[in-house]
Amino acid sequence: IAGITQAPTSQILAAGRRMTLRCTQDMRHNAMYWYRQDLGLGLRLIHYSNTAGTTGKGEVPDGYSVSRANTDDFPLTLASAVPSQTSVYFCASSWTSGGDLINEQFFGPGTRLTVL
Amino acid sequence: QQQVKQSPQSLIVQKGGISIINCAYENTAFDYFPWYQQFPGKGPALLIAIRPDVSEKKEGRFTISFNKSAKQFSLHIMDSQPGDSATYFCAASLSLVGNQFYFGTGTSLTVIP
Repeated sequence: IAGITQAPTSQILAAGRRMTLRCTQDMRHNAMYWYRQDLGLGLRLIHYSNTAGTTGKGEVPDGYSVSRANTDDFPLTLASAVPSQTSVYFCASSWTSGGDLINEQFFGPGTRLTVL
Repeated sequence: QQQVKQSPQSLIVQKGGISIINCAYENTAFDYFPWYQQFPGKGPALLIAIRPDVSEKKEGRFTISFNKSAKQFSLHIMDSQPGDSATYFCAASLSLVGNQFYFGTGTSLTVIP
């Protein structure tokens, strides 16, 4: 069972370039999330999707876009990367209805992105 | 505005000691409070979680203490081991509004042998 896979593992990108981070889950979770992790700031939600075909903005959505064409995939796109988007990006997934354990979010291994 | 405030930023504990990490929140509508553990180079993984209708939850050496009136909750790691060395994040969520988590800033725990 793979859980959540992310690609690439790491990337160095020139400012102004377009970049898509890929995320795939095999748990059939209805909800998926993108976070960025920065030292001293913790994990901050960028965008989320509660079901295929719908997306929503999190705490720090500016400069990022997402799509959710199907249940399994949730790509994150930086249309024109800037140095402040240098971060570690985590994709996560979960169920969003029902009892206690269903709230657990499962995280991928992360993508380390450096924008120069 | 940080919805969940976490302290300390870093913590060094001797093997066998007790590690305590504290979190505070503002929104009284939060109804789910998980703690995540993250090892270097890995994604966070759920460690333990609590609902606000109980004051304490214990799983092995890990305990969450929850004080609803003070809007605070804490993680206690008993008999801390070097393998517990990791970054710990508290979080809070509103389960009725999807499943959006608000994370604390993290605590880097080092357990010295």
